[in-house]
Amino acid sequence: DIQMTQSPSSLPASLGDRVTITCRASQDIGNYLRWFQQKPGKSPRLMIYGATNLAAGVPSRFSGSRSGSDYSLTISSLESEDMADYYCLQSKESPLTFGSGTKLEIK
Amino acid sequence: EVQLVESGGGLVQPGASLKLSCVASGFTFSDYWMSWVRQTPGKTMEWIGDIKYDGSYTNYAPSLKNRFTISRDNAKSTLYLQMSNVRSEDTATYYCTITTTDWGQGVMVTVSS
Repeated sequence: DIQMTQSPSSLPASLGDRVTITCRASQDIGNYLRWFQQKPGKSPRLMIYGATNLAAGVPSRFSGSRSGSDYSLTISSLESEDMADYYCLQSKESPLTFGSGTKLEIK
Repeated sequence: EVQLVESGGGLVQPGASLKLSCVASGFTFSDYWMSWVRQTPGKTMEWIGDIKYDGSYTNYAPSLKNRFTISRDNAKSTLYLQMSNVRSEDTATYYCTITTTDWGQGVMVTVSS
């Protein structure tokens, strides 16, 4: 199985900060990488697909990037509504595998 | 508007069987692959498997393949997850998804005696 190593597990940040969450794939997944946001008591929401593509309705302060086997989700200027858990997912091959999650919280 | 509504969860004893359902609306169900994903109380996300739009092919996480079965009824726009010989580690919230693009609200399954 492809392992997705996500970091950090917790990220305290202030409103207006630029924050980055990273996932490293244990083998080549091309751009088959998705990012999800999950707020307490809610279902995950697709934010980024194809490593860099913004899903419908996602604010432009979110962006995805890739450098080799490292994939990043960046929020350019943190807003209060962005406080949530974030997960990456590789969809290159079965079984699909998720990162362990990052809890983004107010510092 | 896409809607995915799961049902069938609850408290179940170890070793028992349980069948979850997901009724879909707002899109042409028979055109899409569908999948199940679960999230443990500790928030670990696990892909369970998926099924081709016509039901002719299924794909599972190897660790669950022998106990879980995904099926669908396109006439009823309904996706199913049959769980057998459940264990405490199957305790989780189960989500129906359109290959992780759109998600249902989830249904909780608790395995305990």
